Amino acid sequence: GAVVSQHPSWVICKSGTSVKIECRSLDFQATTMFWYRQFPKQSLMLMATSNEGSKATYEQGVEKDKFLINHASLTLSTLTVTSAHPEDSSFYICSARETMGYNSPLHFGNGTRLTVT
Amino acid sequence: EDQVTQSPEALRLQEGESSSLNCSYTVSGLRGLFWYRQDPGKGPEFLFTLYSAGEEKEKERLKATLTKKESFLHITAPKPEDSATYLCAVQERAGGTSYGKLTFGQGTILTVHP
Repeated sequence: GAVVSQHPSWVICKSGTSVKIECRSLDFQATTMFWYRQFPKQSLMLMATSNEGSKATYEQGVEKDKFLINHASLTLSTLTVTSAHPEDSSFYICSARETMGYNSPLHFGNGTRLTVT
Repeated sequence: EDQVTQSPEALRLQEGESSSLNCSYTVSGLRGLFWYRQDPGKGPEFLFTLYSAGEEKEKERLKATLTKKESFLHITAPKPEDSATYLCAVQERAGGTSYGKLTFGQGTILTVHP
């Protein structure tokens, strides 16, 4: 089955630094990947849609200059949290579709736990 | 705007005690409704996709059903290993800019005691 790999699984950084999170589709190509954020005991909130070879589409209220997304290849998307602050501490999860059909299921990575001190 | 509401927020069952989880949704046109299981500290794991009212899908002790306004996830004779958060999500039959994004409910935390 489709496997989405996310790295790192957890990271601790100091306030003001930047952190990069990688999302890879291991056995399929993904022209579109989705980045979600999840706070404790809350549901997944879509942050942005990452499109290979073009600019990401951000959801309302998500700062595109703070959450930089690069989808440089059909198997890799990265999310960089710039100038991180404690309120950015959260669980970040990426996802992708195995096929081009819009109603095929999303497959998720195992998430990255970001803690900003 | 799509809305997805799941109930109950938390459900505690004894092993073998069957029950159902509810997912109510409001969407202008449903392309698909998805059920996921999420274990603590992990990403969601895909369970089912339902596309039209009346459709049913089964997998081991789980059975998902769909009406025009809600979906149910029935758990028959649950085991402790079924303990997890169950999420439902809807995909709207929208224009090309949506890229097929999903809107999630807040989830139901299921705990099955031995």
